[in-house]
Formats: sequence, structure tokens, C-alpha cells
Amino acid sequence: GAGVSQSPSNKVTEKGKDVELRCDPISGHTALYWYRQRLGQGLEFLIYFQGNSAPDKSGLPSDRFSAERTGESVSTLTIQRTQQEDSAVYLCASSPLWAGGSDTQYFGPGTRLTVL
Amino acid sequence: AQTVTQSQPEMSVQEAETVTLSCTYDTSESDYYLFWYKQPPSRQMILVIRQEAYKQQNATENRFSVNFQKAAKSFSLKISDSQLGDAAMYFCALGETSGSRLTFGEGTQLTVNP
Repeated sequence: GAGVSQSPSNKVTEKGKDVELRCDPISGHTALYWYRQRLGQGLEFLIYFQGNSAPDKSGLPSDRFSAERTGESVSTLTIQRTQQEDSAVYLCASSPLWAGGSDTQYFGPGTRLTVL
Repeated sequence: AQTVTQSQPEMSVQEAETVTLSCTYDTSESDYYLFWYKQPPSRQMILVIRQEAYKQQNATENRFSVNFQKAAKSFSLKISDSQLGDAAMYFCALGETSGSRLTFGEGTQLTVNP
């Protein structure tokens, strides 16, 4: 089946504007993750959704960042009042339900956000 | 808190030769998962290999194998018969059973020379 998809592929915005990034997980995957990758660096965890449980928001860097997920489908990451330090690639991953343990995460191609 | 360290920012290898990428980690969990992901210029993160900490046998996937040393908290990746298509950024990652998020290292840029 189809992999994880993300849109837009690239987004250029002006400082202070709000942006929304979209992630479509693999069908049937109950877990969904957002990561941020700054230029030349590794991935930083942002937020994690698992089924109907409360999301793990512990990685969100500030209250300007928020994310939503409807059921086990699409997720939207919103960044309000964007700053230049928000420029990065935002990667989404999904994982099938695996009772009691971590499981392989399948990544989308990411959205490259540039804040001017 | 868990950490992952990749001490080699860049590595290079001749085509058809073997190269080993290093990774060390720290976690307080006794049961966890380790991964190597490959990221080519397309940005797509591709799973290369995974290892469950409770398994003593090292994982292998075709030309890719790991040397998992649990006591030393070391997890290196060996690529045999290197191919031009192996050129990419390689990330080591740790997944703790209880949290499910992945903690990534800073990456190793692998160049394959013809």
C-alpha cells in the first residue's frame, strides 16, 4: 500500500505567519509521530499520537507549536507566529499497533519549512 | 534521559569495500530497540536494520549487519560490498519500550567512491 505522505513538500513563509503541515499515515497505523530536523542535524521528537490516548506533547519546543489528529487518520502540525529558528524539515512517521512495545516507524518525505 | 552518539560525522569507502559506522547510546531501560536509518538527499528516511535488545544474536539484512554490544552500549553498522547507492546520511536511533519515541544520533555522512 501507499507510504506516509506529507504536504506541502516545501513551504516558504514570512516571519510571524502561521503555517499548517499535513501528514497522512499508512492506513491501519495507529501511532503517529512528528519530528523536526534542522540543517545538518539529527531528528528531534516533537509529538506522538497513539490511538485514542492523550498525545505525548513533551517534545514541542514552545506553545507556538500544536498538533491534532483525527482518529487514526490525518494529522496537522501547526506553527503559529513562525520564527526564523523554526526553519527545518518536519518529518512525520507512523507505526502499526504493537501491544506492549516500540515498533518500526515508517517515515514520510518531510516538509521543508523556510521562514524568511 | 536516553542519548545516542555518532562520533563519525563523515566516512568514506571504496566501492565493493566494507565500512563500519559507530554508534553508542545510553538508556536506563533493560529492554529497548535499536535502529539504523538511511537518509539519501531525497530526505526519505529508510529503515536499514533493527535490533531488539533482548536478542543476543546480531541482526543482518543482506549486505548490512550490526555488532550489538549491550554491556558496552554500542551498536555499530557494517556495510559489506559497498555500492554507490549506499551513499547517504546514516542515523542510529534508540526506541525505548515504555516511551515509543525515537532518539536519534547526529548522523554519519557516508560517501562511496567509485
